[in-house]
Amino acid sequence: DAKTTQPTSMDCAEGRAANLPCNHSTISGNEYVYWYRQIHSQGPQYIIHGLKNNETNEMASLIITEDRKSSTLILPHATLRDTAVYYCIVSALGDSSYKLIFGSGTRLLVRP
Amino acid sequence: DTGVSQDPRHKITKRGQNVTFRCDPISEHNRLYWYRQTLGQGPEFLTYFQNEAQLEKSRLLSDRFSAERPKGSFSTLEIQRTEQGDSAMYLCASSLWGHQTSYEQYFGPGTRLTVT
Repeated sequence: DAKTTQPTSMDCAEGRAANLPCNHSTISGNEYVYWYRQIHSQGPQYIIHGLKNNETNEMASLIITEDRKSSTLILPHATLRDTAVYYCIVSALGDSSYKLIFGSGTRLLVRP
Repeated sequence: DTGVSQDPRHKITKRGQNVTFRCDPISEHNRLYWYRQTLGQGPEFLTYFQNEAQLEKSRLLSDRFSAERPKGSFSTLEIQRTEQGDSAMYLCASSLWGHQTSYEQYFGPGTRLTVT
């Protein structure tokens, strides 16, 4: 079973920030938080990952709470192309397979 | 394009037939993963290889399923005696493992299987 809880769907206006929450209250100390997204009819795409500190890359920012029980993915200026299902995943550093256990994700709709 | 490729993109087969899918990972990646995705659900892990060794198989991978990666490059996933419940998108992903481990997996476009 997935170790994360995400809202089923969200929407935001084009050009605005999209903030996607994720709850991972049972996360272990050696588990990373990963975010992937899947645009319709395509394979999942890696976005970002983090352990404790906030992370930023060219696609998004990841904010992890101090207790690590939840995180937020931020798309700073959402575009129509960001419409996708967003998956929050935890994966253990100690699990050398690094397999990804996906939940149902959040369906983000970016409105024009 | 140097991404992960999968062939075919679509496959329609009749129940009871065998099918084989191919995945070509990113060339320097030593790990290769197979996932299955049904409509409305997230992908489910099936198996993974490090080089040519198959290191883990999910309980989802029944004895009708077999995967190989004979030379540590491309991989094949075969389903024997297909059933309607096998209808799904089959996704392949690759990653780099080792002293320069890349934590992200790169996914191919998937093979959509329809069993009639």
